[in-house]
Amino acid sequence: NAGVMQNPRHLVRRRGQEARLRCSPMKGHSHVYWYRQLPEEGLKFMVYLQKENIIDESGMPKERFSAEFPKEGPSILRIQQVVRGDSAAYFCASSPSPKHEQFFGPGTRLTVL
Amino acid sequence: GENVEQHPSTLSVQEGDSAVIKCTYSDSASNYFPWYKQELGKRPQLIIDIRSNVGEKKDQRIAVTLNKTAKHFSLHITETQPEDSAVYFCAARVGDKIIFGKGTRLHILP
Repeated sequence: NAGVMQNPRHLVRRRGQEARLRCSPMKGHSHVYWYRQLPEEGLKFMVYLQKENIIDESGMPKERFSAEFPKEGPSILRIQQVVRGDSAAYFCASSPSPKHEQFFGPGTRLTVL
Repeated sequence: GENVEQHPSTLSVQEGDSAVIKCTYSDSASNYFPWYKQELGKRPQLIIDIRSNVGEKKDQRIAVTLNKTAKHFSLHITETQPEDSAVYFCAARVGDKIIFGKGTRLHILP
């Protein structure tokens, strides 16, 4: 049973470009969570999605950030018009239900030049 | 709002000694408290968790205690080893999401 997969593992973008981060949950998991980790800091909750639904996006910046989890395919975190402050590690986690343990993917390290 | 405070931010202990990390949470409805270990450049991995219906849980050298009245919980690592060096995060479930503390960088000194 493959774990949570994320790609790309490293992503470099110039200011103003778009970043797309993908997360494939573990098999059988329909709940996905995205977190942002700035250097030397903790994990900040961004958004919680279930298949085709955004359940809680209270941690998402109001502008430029969006997330989806379509019926088929991975969950995608999209950052439009990236700025230097978006540079961070973005982790996704999945679980079979919100009451279960969350399993983390390896993360995508975004660098904005 | 929802908040998890974690102390200390950095901890150095001699190999073989014990390490204790403490956390407090603000939402009295929280009922699940996981602890994650993150090695440099790696993903966070769950090492132990505790639910609000118990006060203590132990797994080999790792134990966690929970005081619901005071809204604090602690991680105890005994007989520390070099491979215990990492960043440790406490967390509390608030509704359907998990709120993390800022982490404790644990150094095991030879």
